[in-house]
Amino acid sequence: DGGITQSPKYLFRKEGQNVTLSCEQNLNHDAMYWYRQDPGQGLRLIYYSQIVNDFQKGDIAEGYSVSREKKESFPLTVTSAQKNPTAFYLCASKLAGYSYNEQFFGPGTRLTVL
Amino acid sequence: DAKTTQPPSMDCAEGRAANLPCNHSTISGNEYVYWYRQIHSQGPQYIIHGLKNNETNEMASLIITEDRKSSTLILPHATLRDTAVYYCIVRVVGGTSYGKLTFGQGTILTVHP
Repeated sequence: DGGITQSPKYLFRKEGQNVTLSCEQNLNHDAMYWYRQDPGQGLRLIYYSQIVNDFQKGDIAEGYSVSREKKESFPLTVTSAQKNPTAFYLCASKLAGYSYNEQFFGPGTRLTVL
Repeated sequence: DAKTTQPPSMDCAEGRAANLPCNHSTISGNEYVYWYRQIHSQGPQYIIHGLKNNETNEMASLIITEDRKSSTLILPHATLRDTAVYYCIVRVVGGTSYGKLTFGQGTILTVHP
């Protein structure tokens, strides 16, 4: 079945360690997005990518990095520079070309930094 | 993108229609109204979107007022599985838009037996 996968579902890391969250899609979507969600809050955009080898900062990019070497994959690295990394991270994708197309979301990764 | 205002929570009896309101009084002509929902600890799910005409799909109906300053999402026969946070989002389409969705705090809909 087509969709977006994120792994792992739960992730624990020690403070000061970098950690990479996986996002893979087989929907042949061009655009991919990373959002962060804190308890009781809406989603905030971290990074987005509209095509391979290109990506742009969202509203809260500090302390995060991404790459887009393949159309299907958009991994997010949470670096030690992120002051408060514990959160629920969501990846999404959509077709490019028509910006009113819906975004499809993955199941999310819940990151806890100890 | 225009700001939206939603009630923080609503209740609905199972089998009845759930009507979720959204105010977007600063909406401009090239902005669409989108609705997503998020069931606890899952990724958001697209429900429906519209520009100015009422829209209906297999999940819900979207009623947009003539002045486009408010809208209502209607779940015609709510079930327990419809319990979720519902987000109303208004965003620009076209031009330099890159598809960014700005999520507020949404409405927590609780469907009870």
